[in-house]
Amino acid sequence: GENVEQHPSTLSVQEGDSAVIKCTYSDSASNYFPWYKQELGKRPQLIIDIRSNVGEKKDQRIAVTLNKTAKHFSLHITETQPEDSAVYFCAAGDTGRRALTFGSGTRLQVQP
Amino acid sequence: GAGVSQSPSNKVTEKGKDVELRCDPISGHTALYWYRQRLGQGLEFLIYFQGNSAPDKSGLPSDRFSAERTGESVSTLTIQRTQQEDSAVYLCASSLFAGELFFGEGSRLTVL
Repeated sequence: GENVEQHPSTLSVQEGDSAVIKCTYSDSASNYFPWYKQELGKRPQLIIDIRSNVGEKKDQRIAVTLNKTAKHFSLHITETQPEDSAVYFCAAGDTGRRALTFGSGTRLQVQP
Repeated sequence: GAGVSQSPSNKVTEKGKDVELRCDPISGHTALYWYRQRLGQGLEFLIYFQGNSAPDKSGLPSDRFSAERTGESVSTLTIQRTQQEDSAVYLCASSLFAGELFFGEGSRLTVL
């Protein structure tokens, strides 16, 4: 089955700096790579996703890159704000055929 | 309903008792997932239902865990003879085929 590794487990940045979270996956059949944000005590919510036919996707201050050859993908947050503080999960899967496998999460703390 | 609904939101039970957790997915979503999240941990896959296909039960940790889904609607996760290590938040999510996962608020289970 799929195995997803996520690093770092915790990340502290100053407000306005950039944050990068990296994930690797094992199953070359995976074709969908979403990122979820989970605030304390809340449900995970999708912030951005990318499919295997695309190398990069951007949405305002958030971007995701995918390297299918190396089987890794990354989340980039620019101009971080205190409200970006949360746990971020990456995931990988072959949508429609099996469930997503999630990484272990990264706790991001943005210091004002 | 507008979102994924889970009940109960909180359940405290004694070791050895059985519990049932309910998930009401978004209407029209063919896929339904159960994940377990222990305190401060990641999302652990339990079971996946997709339309009329046989469910993927590969994540169920023991035969004390089972789940059913009625058609493309409600799902029930049952844990028999609960143990203290079953204490966690049980998250349900639903999606259209190959689409974004929408999570419920979760059912927090505490086994004394």
